Amino acid sequence: QKEVEQNSGPLSVPEGAIASLNCTYSDRGSQSFFWYRQYSGKSPELIMFIYSNGDKEDGRFTAQLNKASQYVSLLIRDSQPSDSATYLCAVMESGGYNKLIFGAGTRLAVHP
Amino acid sequence: GAGVSQSPSNKVTEKGKDVELRCDPISGHTALYWYRQSLGQGLEFLIYFQGNSAPDKSGLPSDRFSAERTGGSVSTLTIQRTQQEDSAVYLCASSLDGHEQYFGPGTRLTVT
Repeated sequence: QKEVEQNSGPLSVPEGAIASLNCTYSDRGSQSFFWYRQYSGKSPELIMFIYSNGDKEDGRFTAQLNKASQYVSLLIRDSQPSDSATYLCAVMESGGYNKLIFGAGTRLAVHP
Repeated sequence: GAGVSQSPSNKVTEKGKDVELRCDPISGHTALYWYRQSLGQGLEFLIYFQGNSAPDKSGLPSDRFSAERTGGSVSTLTIQRTQQEDSAVYLCASSLDGHEQYFGPGTRLTVT
Protein backbone atom coordinates (compact mmCIF):
# COMPACT_ATOMS: atom_id res chain seq x y z
CA GLN A 1 0.00 0.00 0.00
CA LYS A 2 1.58 3.26 -1.15
CA GLU A 3 1.34 5.91 1.55
CA VAL A 4 1.87 9.61 2.07
CA GLU A 5 2.36 10.74 5.65
CA GLN A 6 1.82 14.21 7.06
CA ASN A 7 1.59 15.54 10.59
CA SER A 8 -2.06 16.46 11.08
CA GLY A 9 -1.24 19.50 13.20
CA PRO A 10 -2.45 22.01 13.92
CA LEU A 11 0.75 23.84 13.21
CA SER A 12 0.44 27.24 14.83
CA VAL A 13 2.76 30.05 13.75
CA PRO A 14 2.71 33.80 14.37
CA GLU A 15 2.08 36.20 11.52
CA GLY A 16 5.28 36.96 9.65
CA ALA A 17 7.03 33.73 10.64
CA ILE A 18 8.08 30.84 8.39
CA ALA A 19 5.73 27.86 8.35
CA SER A 20 7.36 24.52 7.56
CA LEU A 21 5.15 21.66 6.39
CA ASN A 22 6.56 18.18 5.90
CA CYS A 23 5.59 15.05 4.04
CA THR A 24 7.10 11.59 3.59
CA TYR A 25 6.11 9.01 1.01
CA SER A 26 6.62 5.31 0.51
CA ASP A 27 6.60 4.95 -3.31
CA ARG A 28 10.30 5.12 -4.17
CA GLY A 29 9.50 5.31 -7.88
CA SER A 30 7.45 8.50 -7.60
CA GLN A 31 8.71 11.39 -9.69
CA SER A 32 6.13 14.15 -9.24
CA PHE A 33 5.06 15.89 -6.06
CA PHE A 34 2.36 18.45 -5.37
CA TRP A 35 1.16 20.73 -2.62
CA TYR A 36 -2.49 21.72 -2.42
CA ARG A 37 -4.11 24.23 -0.10
CA GLN A 38 -7.64 23.52 1.10
CA TYR A 39 -9.70 26.09 2.95
CA SER A 40 -12.49 24.76 5.14
CA GLY A 41 -15.48 23.79 3.03
CA LYS A 42 -13.63 24.37 -0.24
CA SER A 43 -11.90 22.14 -2.77
CA PRO A 44 -8.10 21.72 -2.97
CA GLU A 45 -6.17 24.41 -4.82
CA LEU A 46 -2.81 23.57 -6.44
CA ILE A 47 -0.11 25.88 -5.13
CA MET A 48 3.20 24.16 -5.95
CA PHE A 49 4.63 21.19 -7.78
CA ILE A 50 8.17 19.86 -7.88
CA TYR A 51 9.81 17.14 -9.94
CA SER A 52 13.54 17.53 -9.27
CA ASN A 53 15.60 17.23 -6.13
CA GLY A 54 16.32 20.54 -4.45
CA ASP A 55 14.31 23.69 -3.95
CA LYS A 56 11.69 25.39 -6.08
CA GLU A 57 10.55 28.88 -5.16
CA ASP A 58 7.34 30.67 -6.13
CA GLY A 59 6.70 33.92 -4.31
CA ARG A 60 6.43 33.24 -0.59
CA PHE A 61 6.34 29.47 -1.17
CA THR A 62 9.32 27.12 -1.46
CA ALA A 63 8.96 23.43 -2.13
CA GLN A 64 11.85 21.14 -1.23
CA LEU A 65 12.35 17.60 -2.48
CA ASN A 66 14.77 14.91 -1.36
CA LYS A 67 14.07 11.69 -3.27
CA ALA A 68 16.76 9.71 -1.47
CA SER A 69 15.04 10.42 1.85
CA GLN A 70 11.54 10.27 0.27
CA TYR A 71 10.76 13.62 1.80
CA VAL A 72 8.95 16.69 0.52
CA SER A 73 8.43 19.94 2.34
CA LEU A 74 6.71 23.27 1.84
CA LEU A 75 7.98 26.49 3.38
CA ILE A 76 5.73 29.52 3.61
CA ARG A 77 7.64 32.73 4.32
CA ASP A 78 6.06 35.80 5.92
CA SER A 79 3.00 33.76 6.92
CA GLN A 80 -0.31 35.60 6.84
CA PRO A 81 -3.61 34.78 8.57
CA SER A 82 -5.00 34.15 5.08
CA ASP A 83 -2.56 31.21 4.81
CA SER A 84 -4.52 29.42 7.53
CA ALA A 85 -5.79 26.27 5.81
CA THR A 86 -5.09 22.57 5.46
CA TYR A 87 -2.13 21.77 3.25
CA LEU A 88 -2.27 18.51 1.35
CA CYS A 89 0.82 16.75 0.07
CA ALA A 90 0.20 14.61 -3.02
CA VAL A 91 2.53 12.17 -4.71
CA MET A 92 1.99 10.87 -8.21
CA GLU A 93 2.04 7.09 -8.13
CA SER A 94 4.70 5.44 -10.23
CA GLY A 95 3.51 3.07 -12.92
CA GLY A 96 2.12 5.46 -15.50
CA TYR A 97 -1.46 6.08 -14.45
CA ASN A 98 -0.92 9.60 -13.08
CA LYS A 99 -2.92 8.81 -9.97
CA LEU A 100 -2.29 11.10 -6.99
CA ILE A 101 -1.89 9.63 -3.54
CA PHE A 102 -2.79 12.25 -0.95
CA GLY A 103 -1.68 12.69 2.61
CA ALA A 104 -4.31 13.47 5.20
CA GLY A 105 -3.12 17.08 5.35
CA THR A 106 -1.57 19.42 7.89
CA ARG A 107 -3.75 22.13 9.36
CA LEU A 108 -1.90 25.45 9.54
CA ALA A 109 -3.08 28.26 11.81
CA VAL A 110 -1.40 31.66 11.45
CA HIS A 111 -2.26 33.94 14.33
CA PRO A 112 -1.91 37.75 14.29
CA GLY B 1 -10.61 30.91 -18.21
CA ALA B 2 -13.33 28.71 -16.81
CA GLY B 3 -12.28 26.10 -14.29
CA VAL B 4 -13.64 22.66 -13.62
CA SER B 5 -17.36 22.73 -12.89
CA GLN B 6 -19.43 20.16 -11.07
CA SER B 7 -23.13 19.70 -10.52
CA PRO B 8 -25.06 19.53 -8.36
CA SER B 9 -23.14 21.30 -5.60
CA ASN B 10 -25.19 19.47 -2.98
CA LYS B 11 -27.25 16.31 -3.20
CA VAL B 12 -29.33 14.72 -0.46
CA THR B 13 -30.71 11.31 -1.27
CA GLU B 14 -32.38 8.45 0.50
CA LYS B 15 -30.55 5.22 1.11
CA GLY B 16 -31.07 2.84 -1.79
CA LYS B 17 -31.59 5.52 -4.45
CA ASP B 18 -29.29 6.05 -7.42
CA VAL B 19 -27.44 9.33 -7.94
CA GLU B 20 -25.56 10.91 -10.84
CA LEU B 21 -22.82 13.47 -10.38
CA ARG B 22 -21.55 15.53 -13.28
CA CYS B 23 -18.16 17.02 -14.08
CA ASP B 24 -17.19 19.47 -16.82
CA PRO B 25 -13.40 19.63 -17.14
CA ILE B 26 -11.34 22.62 -18.18
CA SER B 27 -11.58 23.03 -21.95
CA GLY B 28 -8.76 21.18 -23.70
CA HIS B 29 -7.84 19.02 -20.72
CA THR B 30 -7.60 15.40 -21.79
CA ALA B 31 -7.28 13.80 -18.38
CA LEU B 32 -10.13 13.65 -15.87
CA TYR B 33 -10.15 12.23 -12.36
CA TRP B 34 -12.72 11.52 -9.69
CA TYR B 35 -11.81 11.54 -6.00
CA ARG B 36 -13.87 11.54 -2.86
CA GLN B 37 -13.21 13.10 0.50
CA SER B 38 -15.05 11.81 3.53
CA LEU B 39 -15.44 13.98 6.63
CA GLY B 40 -12.03 14.50 8.20
CA GLN B 41 -10.38 12.13 5.75
CA GLY B 42 -7.90 12.53 2.95
CA LEU B 43 -8.73 12.38 -0.72
CA GLU B 44 -9.36 8.93 -2.10
CA PHE B 45 -8.82 8.23 -5.81
CA LEU B 46 -11.78 6.68 -7.59
CA ILE B 47 -11.27 6.65 -11.37
CA TYR B 48 -9.11 8.23 -14.09
CA PHE B 49 -9.85 8.90 -17.76
CA GLN B 50 -7.14 9.81 -20.28
CA GLY B 51 -8.22 10.58 -23.80
CA ASN B 52 -9.62 7.53 -25.54
CA SER B 53 -7.72 5.04 -23.39
CA ALA B 54 -9.48 2.56 -21.12
CA PRO B 55 -10.15 4.22 -17.76
CA ASP B 56 -8.27 3.26 -14.62
CA LYS B 57 -11.10 2.07 -12.36
CA SER B 58 -8.85 0.69 -9.65
CA GLY B 59 -10.13 3.07 -6.97
CA LEU B 60 -13.85 2.40 -7.30
CA PRO B 61 -14.91 1.00 -3.90
CA SER B 62 -17.64 -1.34 -5.16
CA ASP B 63 -19.56 -2.33 -8.25
CA ARG B 64 -22.26 0.15 -7.25
CA PHE B 65 -19.94 2.87 -8.53
CA SER B 66 -19.45 3.53 -12.23
CA ALA B 67 -18.34 6.44 -14.36
CA GLU B 68 -18.31 7.35 -17.99
CA ARG B 69 -16.85 10.14 -20.05
CA THR B 70 -18.64 11.08 -23.23
CA GLY B 71 -16.88 12.68 -26.19
CA GLY B 72 -13.68 13.06 -24.21
CA SER B 73 -15.18 15.86 -22.16
CA VAL B 74 -18.05 15.67 -19.65
CA SER B 75 -17.99 12.86 -17.13
CA THR B 76 -20.75 11.36 -15.01
CA LEU B 77 -20.16 9.39 -11.82
CA THR B 78 -23.08 7.14 -10.94
CA ILE B 79 -23.66 5.54 -7.57
CA GLN B 80 -26.37 2.89 -7.49
CA ARG B 81 -28.29 1.84 -4.39
CA THR B 82 -26.61 4.47 -2.26
CA GLN B 83 -25.52 3.62 1.26
CA GLN B 84 -24.84 5.95 4.19
CA GLU B 85 -21.10 5.29 3.91
CA ASP B 86 -21.23 6.86 0.44
CA SER B 87 -21.79 10.26 2.08
CA ALA B 88 -18.78 12.39 1.16
CA VAL B 89 -17.63 15.24 -1.06
CA TYR B 90 -17.01 13.97 -4.58
CA LEU B 91 -14.31 15.94 -6.34
CA CYS B 92 -13.48 16.00 -10.01
CA ALA B 93 -10.12 17.19 -11.34
CA SER B 94 -8.79 17.69 -14.83
CA SER B 95 -5.31 17.94 -16.27
CA LEU B 96 -3.84 19.06 -19.56
CA ASP B 97 -0.99 16.59 -19.55
CA GLY B 98 -1.74 14.18 -16.74
CA HIS B 99 0.45 15.97 -14.21
CA GLU B 100 -0.91 19.13 -12.59
CA GLN B 101 -4.49 18.40 -11.61
CA TYR B 102 -7.03 21.17 -11.02
CA PHE B 103 -10.07 20.47 -8.89
CA GLY B 104 -13.66 21.52 -9.26
CA PRO B 105 -15.75 22.76 -6.34
CA GLY B 106 -17.07 19.30 -5.54
CA THR B 107 -20.48 17.75 -4.95
CA ARG B 108 -21.45 17.16 -1.33
CA LEU B 109 -23.48 13.94 -1.19
CA THR B 110 -25.54 13.13 1.87
CA VAL B 111 -27.29 9.77 2.07
CA THR B 112 -30.05 9.69 4.69
